[in-house]
Amino acid sequence: DSGVTQTPKHLITATGQRVTLRCSPRSGDLSVYWYQQSLDQGLQFLIQYYNGEERAKGNILERFSAQQFPDLHSELNLSSLELGDSALYFCASSVGQGNFDQPQHFGDGTRLSIL
Amino acid sequence: AQKVTQAQTEISVVEKEDVTLDCVYETRDTTYYLFWYKQPPSGELVFLIRRNSFDEQNEISGRYSWNFQKSTSSFNFTITASQVVDSAVYFCALRHNTASKLTFGTGTRLQVTL
Repeated sequence: DSGVTQTPKHLITATGQRVTLRCSPRSGDLSVYWYQQSLDQGLQFLIQYYNGEERAKGNILERFSAQQFPDLHSELNLSSLELGDSALYFCASSVGQGNFDQPQHFGDGTRLSIL
Repeated sequence: AQKVTQAQTEISVVEKEDVTLDCVYETRDTTYYLFWYKQPPSGELVFLIRRNSFDEQNEISGRYSWNFQKSTSSFNFTITASQVVDSAVYFCALRHNTASKLTFGTGTRLQVTL
């Protein structure tokens, strides 16, 4: 158990809809990262938050947004969903922003299926 | 630009065989960090090991060992006496000293059979 909690585990919805994925980091971790794992793109970094502020952006679509709340949990919002958004979405957390040698610990992921 | 290559897409071995998973990386940075993660059939990503670019000591943890060679930009992972529970997809990843994100390889699927 990594200590990172993601809900829900599975999500099935239709094209055009909007969903919210939730992540609670490990106790004491201030950074939260979101990754997307798809068959064609592999594991891709989406975005990072540190203590409530956005710190880094990767290959995140404009239809996607995220935030980190004062209690450090994070939400990834996906809107106007398309079939190609079907993927496994991972949240990871780490101790700080500058501790680049510290590993990121991943949650179990949310599997999103678009019908 | 940074890149991680795991040329072995899939490997099948019989239990008790030794197996090595290859990882080759590209980076212009002098300080960076390398990681291995395991993704079992249940889907979660499990952290296995971290290695700093300035520490080329090999590491052994039980049946697992890692060989880091800067000269060949490789960070290979060996499982000794493989077991069925080792069946998973294994990812190698790279992180720069000034970057947040992990850059993952495409993964190697290891199938261990009886």
